[in-house]
Amino acid sequence: GQQLNQSPQSMFIQEGEDVSMNCTSSSIFNTWLWYKQDPGEGPVLLIALYKAGELTSNGRLTAQFGITRKDSFLNISASIPSDVGIYFCAGGPNRKLIWGLGTSLAVNP
Amino acid sequence: EAQVTQNPRYLITVTGKKLTVTCSQNMNHEYMSWYRQDPGLGLRQIYYSMNVEVTDKGDVPEGYKVSRKEKRNFPLILESPSPNQTSLYFCASSQHRLSYEQYFGPGTRLTVT
Repeated sequence: GQQLNQSPQSMFIQEGEDVSMNCTSSSIFNTWLWYKQDPGEGPVLLIALYKAGELTSNGRLTAQFGITRKDSFLNISASIPSDVGIYFCAGGPNRKLIWGLGTSLAVNP
Repeated sequence: EAQVTQNPRYLITVTGKKLTVTCSQNMNHEYMSWYRQDPGLGLRQIYYSMNVEVTDKGDVPEGYKVSRKEKRNFPLILESPSPNQTSLYFCASSQHRLSYEQYFGPGTRLTVT
C-alpha cells in the first residue's frame, strides 16, 4: 500500500536539544496524526491535526499541518531521556490511515 | 482504565498449528483493526471491523481470519501459520469508523518456526 515519506529515519541527540522531523505525502491529506511507540509497547497518539496550517502543542511537542496539505512536522523541545522511541506520522485523504515508517529517536543523557 | 488488551504478548509456534490472538477493548469503540509491524515495512493493516458482524480486508489479509461477534472483542486467527507471519501484531480501536484517532494494544510478538 501507499506509504508516507518520513524523515529522518533515525536521530541521535543530546539531552536538552530540540528535535524536528517531518512527513510528506504525494497527495493531499485531510488529517495528520503523530504517534509515539515506546520500546515493547503499542503506538500512542500524541497529536491530531485536522486543518491546513493548524499548529497544535502537547507539552514539549508541537506539530503542524502543512499549508500545502501534503506535509506535517513534529518538533520536540528540550528533549529528555524518556523521549526515546519511534515516532510515526499517519494520515490520509480519506478514512483509511496511511503510515510513515517512523523516526527512531535516541537521547544521550 | 480505558485500554486495549491483547493476549498472548509473546508466542512461539510451529508451522501449521492454528492459533488465535485475542483483542479486547473497554471503551465501547465501534471500529477495531489488526496491524502487523515489520522492520522496514512499518505498520500494515490486516483486517478491520466497523462494527459487530462487519469485517473487511486491509492491505495484507492473506493467511488471516477475524471475527467480530461482540463489540469489545476482535480476535485474529491464523489457521495455518507460516514463517512469513512471524511479526509484531497490534490490535487497535477507535470510537467509530469516521474517527482517525486509534488506540493501540501492547502488541503480540509471534514467531513461527
